[in-house]
Amino acid sequence: AQSVTQPDIHITVSEGASLELRCNYSYGATPYLFWYVQSPGQGLQLLLKYFSGDTLVQGIKGFEAEFKRSQSSFNLRKPSVHWSDAAEYFCAVGAMGNYGNKLVFGAGTILRVKS
Amino acid sequence: GAVVSQHPSWVICKSGTSVKIECRSLDFQATTMFWYRQFPKQSLMLMATSNEGSKATYEQGVEKDKFLINHASLTLSTLTVTSAHPEDSSFYICSAPSRRGNTEAFFGQGTRLTVV
Repeated sequence: AQSVTQPDIHITVSEGASLELRCNYSYGATPYLFWYVQSPGQGLQLLLKYFSGDTLVQGIKGFEAEFKRSQSSFNLRKPSVHWSDAAEYFCAVGAMGNYGNKLVFGAGTILRVKS
Repeated sequence: GAVVSQHPSWVICKSGTSVKIECRSLDFQATTMFWYRQFPKQSLMLMATSNEGSKATYEQGVEKDKFLINHASLTLSTLTVTSAHPEDSSFYICSAPSRRGNTEAFFGQGTRLTVV
């Protein structure tokens, strides 16, 4: 069965500093990988996704992620964090079942940005 | 882009009452929708898969008689929490796969349910 691990529950970075959020997955086939962001009390917004091709994926809001098959990882990065990036981030793997893409989510990483 | 609308965004109800949450795909048809539940400070857990024209498929451990799902049309799925109890208080989110090869899911805004 597929699973997603986000080892960091909380991360605090200074505004303007770089950011990397870790994500490791377990999946038998080529995974469909996603990063979502959730602000308090809100739904999920897709940041970026990987299906195939170039392993470095560009997303919205200046985020990027790199798929590394050998490490089963899909870490999210941003070169310079803004205060508005404070939120909870979820990595997810898409399980292509009979009914489309059920998503399995990691536990989430809460990002705090200090000024 | 495709939008999924969820209503209400929050609801407070008394124990023993039932609450209905609607999930609509606004500019595309969704034969399948997914319902997730998120406990405070935890990740989203898939509850069930809603299928237009057939019964929903529930994940292990989810009570189908308590969480009634109806996929009435190609743009509407509803989740009814029956005889709600305080432990049902949670954040419920629906999603629908995009039409293109089911490779992306669009999420509703979520519903915060508080049972008092």
